[in-house]
Amino acid sequence: GQNIDQPTEMTATEGAIVQINCTYQTSGFNGLFWYQQHAGEAPTFLSYNVLDGLEEKGRFSSFLSRSKGYSYLLLKELQMKDSASYLCAVSDSNYQLIWGAGTKLIIKP
Amino acid sequence: GAVVSQHPSWVICKSGTSVKIECRSLDFQATTMFWYRQFPKQSLMLMATSNEGSKATYEQGVEKDKFLINHASLTLSTLTVTSAHPEDSSFYICSARGPGSLGLENTIYFGEGSWLTVV
Repeated sequence: GQNIDQPTEMTATEGAIVQINCTYQTSGFNGLFWYQQHAGEAPTFLSYNVLDGLEEKGRFSSFLSRSKGYSYLLLKELQMKDSASYLCAVSDSNYQLIWGAGTKLIIKP
Repeated sequence: GAVVSQHPSWVICKSGTSVKIECRSLDFQATTMFWYRQFPKQSLMLMATSNEGSKATYEQGVEKDKFLINHASLTLSTLTVTSAHPEDSSFYICSARGPGSLGLENTIYFGEGSWLTVV
């Protein structure tokens, strides 16, 4: 079966760095997405990785290892507004998105 | 950039009635749109894939006669919840695959979402 695993909840301090991990097992792979979702709102796109390595975009970076079926989202200089759920999703061989359950990130002052 | 608009944002309907939610791609043609449902504190659940000019492909467990999807044009897909019941109350989100002509076919753009409350 297809499976995406990510931690249910994480807590971090304002100004710090947090890494949210995602492991996946899917039938085929056409890229991995990270989305941010604030409560009651639709997800917003953060990053897309299809090749191994680190993609940096401002305070957010995303890493992919296809051989390990592993990705992480790295958030630096955390701000209170970063409190949200972070969703990992993999595009499978049919270009269907398989979604993780999301990681709720709580930022404390 | 590519934008997807969803309407209405909020809707309250009486049990037993039907409600339609629209999803529009504003500045690009979307041959494929997706409909999701999200219950509070849960992840997105794909309901169906909507393909322009053909029947939608429903995920297992989703009643196609209850959740009618129509993708009549390249910029509009609609989801109609028929004979709605309180348990259908949820957050419904549509998304569209980005335009291949711009190399964005691997980018998924989301609508704002629609909160449905059935009373």
